[in-house]
Amino acid sequence: DVKVTQSSRYLVKRTGEKVFLECVQDMDHENMFWYRQDPGLGLRLIYFSYDVKMKEKGDIPEGYSVSREKKERFSLILESASTNQTSMYLCASWDSLNTEAFFGQGTRLTVV
Amino acid sequence: QQQVKQSPQSLIVQKGGISIINCAYENTAFDYFPWYQQFPGKGPALLIAIRPDVSEKKEGRFTISFNKSAKQFSLHIMDSQPGDSATYFCAATKYSGGGADGLTFGKGTHLIIQP
Repeated sequence: DVKVTQSSRYLVKRTGEKVFLECVQDMDHENMFWYRQDPGLGLRLIYFSYDVKMKEKGDIPEGYSVSREKKERFSLILESASTNQTSMYLCASWDSLNTEAFFGQGTRLTVV
Repeated sequence: QQQVKQSPQSLIVQKGGISIINCAYENTAFDYFPWYQQFPGKGPALLIAIRPDVSEKKEGRFTISFNKSAKQFSLHIMDSQPGDSATYFCAATKYSGGGADGLTFGKGTHLIIQP
């Protein structure tokens, strides 16, 4: 079974803090993604990566950055957290052979 | 710019009934259309998917109908069960690119199946 693990289920951070969300996959997939999920807005793509040290902006990259130093790990960074970044964050790993995304369980981030 | 429009936002169906969720897309480069199912506290998981070379795909009680000329596709859940209660997302991507650019999702439908 493909496993995508997000390091935290729940996080509470203060405005202005630097926040790291970690994601690890165990299937040697090249492509990984970060989405945020908000009620009524669905899943929106923040950033994605198709190789180590490579990154591409998604639809809503403002206020975020990413890091991919190893193939299995993809980190989302909030440089200076703001209250409008309170959301559910979902990491996904992409199986290009079977055209399927595998999601982690999500990190619910609250910025106060 | 919303590239995949999904409706309805919420849906209540009686047990044994047919649940129907509709999606429309704008980008003609999209050629792979999956549906994802999400239960509370879990990440979305692939339910069923279709490519535009067929107009319908069926897996058990779940069927995707696809209309290329109208740029629309829909999910039908036959004999809906309480265990089908979940949030459903339609999505689209470019199959030829291996989906490497990621999936574009609809806004989701919260489905409740009443016993």
